[in-house]
Amino acid sequence: QVQLVESGGGVVQPGTSLRVSCAASGFSFSRYAMHWVRQAPGKGLEWMGIISFDGSDKYYADSVKGRFTITRDNSRNTLYLQMNSLRAEDTAVYYCARERVSDYGENYFDLWGQGTLVTVSS
Amino acid sequence: IVLTQSPGTQSLSPGERATLSCRASQSVTSSYLAWYQQKPGQAPRLLIYGASTRATGIPDRFSGSGSGTDFTLTINRLEPEDFAVYHCQHYHSSLYTFGQGTKLEIK
Repeated sequence: QVQLVESGGGVVQPGTSLRVSCAASGFSFSRYAMHWVRQAPGKGLEWMGIISFDGSDKYYADSVKGRFTITRDNSRNTLYLQMNSLRAEDTAVYYCARERVSDYGENYFDLWGQGTLVTVSS
Repeated sequence: IVLTQSPGTQSLSPGERATLSCRASQSVTSSYLAWYQQKPGQAPRLLIYGASTRATGIPDRFSGSGSGTDFTLTINRLEPEDFAVYHCQHYHSSLYTFGQGTKLEIK
């Protein structure tokens, strides 16, 4: 079954760190660029960052650059998001998503996980 | 690039047509414009990519159009399951942007 399953969310205190994971199955994980997208309660989607298929290239949204790091382990078919110096405004559901590029060069997110909730609160 | 979706909320009845707008702060490449549907408690689902191509399994009552700065998602003959939040998204120079979303609710 083609799917992405996030894990590792929870309640953490401001200023601390947390790593969330995204386990891929049913497809060739190492062939795809992967993304993290978050959604604060009652808000829209916010793109966090991308990692290339082999992990050699990464880009981040300005809001998390320098605090969040995306990595991947293709041998384990797993994507990670390391979040440091967490703030209350980082409270959100964190989704991983697979990027697909069509034959015509169109980019889009064709597969999403169910999300993991991270709550930053004292 | 900032994507602005309108209206914020649209109230319609089943059977009616919905027209959702996504406006970019500058001209964008249609190839990189996508639409997603999100229901409460669920992950987003891809509807349209390349501004007008329906994703696999998406009914033909969903259609996308537009170019430059103005893009539209049209849903004909609304079904009860179509009431959800719709997000547009764009890619440019290794950065990705979402609109703030439009909630389509039952009138």
